[in-house]
Amino acid sequence: DSGVTQTPKHLITATGQRVTLRCSPRSGDLSVYWYQQSLDQGLQFLIQYYNGEERAKGNILERFSAQQFPDLHSELNLSSLELGDSALYFCASSVGAGVEETQYFGPGTRLLVL
Amino acid sequence: GENVEQHPSTLSVQEGDSAVIKCTYSDSASNYFPWYKQELGKGPQLIIDIRSNVGEKKDQRIAVTLNKTAKHFSLHITETQPEDSAVYFCAATPYEKLVFGTGTRLLVSP
Repeated sequence: DSGVTQTPKHLITATGQRVTLRCSPRSGDLSVYWYQQSLDQGLQFLIQYYNGEERAKGNILERFSAQQFPDLHSELNLSSLELGDSALYFCASSVGAGVEETQYFGPGTRLLVL
Repeated sequence: GENVEQHPSTLSVQEGDSAVIKCTYSDSASNYFPWYKQELGKGPQLIIDIRSNVGEKKDQRIAVTLNKTAKHFSLHITETQPEDSAVYFCAATPYEKLVFGTGTRLLVSP
């Protein structure tokens, strides 16, 4: 158990819909990262927040957005969903902001868009 | 953008054998190279990492080597055990972001 929690574990929705994925980092961690894992794209970095502020951005689509709240939990919002958005979405957390910080991954949210 | 190639995509070994996974990266801005293990139904877990000022690092049965000139790094697992069966990902870190390889599925048969 990494100490990172993600809800829900599974999510089934339809194209065009909007969903929110939630992540609680390990106690004491200030950074939260979001990743997408799919069969065709592999494991891809989406976005990082550090202490409430966006710190780094990866291959995140404009239809996707994220935020980190004052209690440090984070939400990833996916809108206008397409079939290709079906994937595993992981949240990770680390103590600091640097890329050399150990990142602890949560168990993931499996999203299926029908 | 940064590209991390990882080989092989699948690797089957007998228990007790060694396993080697190789990665190459394209961007010389990378200075930190972690390796992750992902078991079925779980998130990736860091197992070992290496920084660019170091050529080799060992932790019990696992070791990593780095050749910065060739932009090549490898994971070595000795005396493999069935519980080593998982998908392994290498990563490079250009511009403060993790870029992952495509993964290697390791199967260790008893």
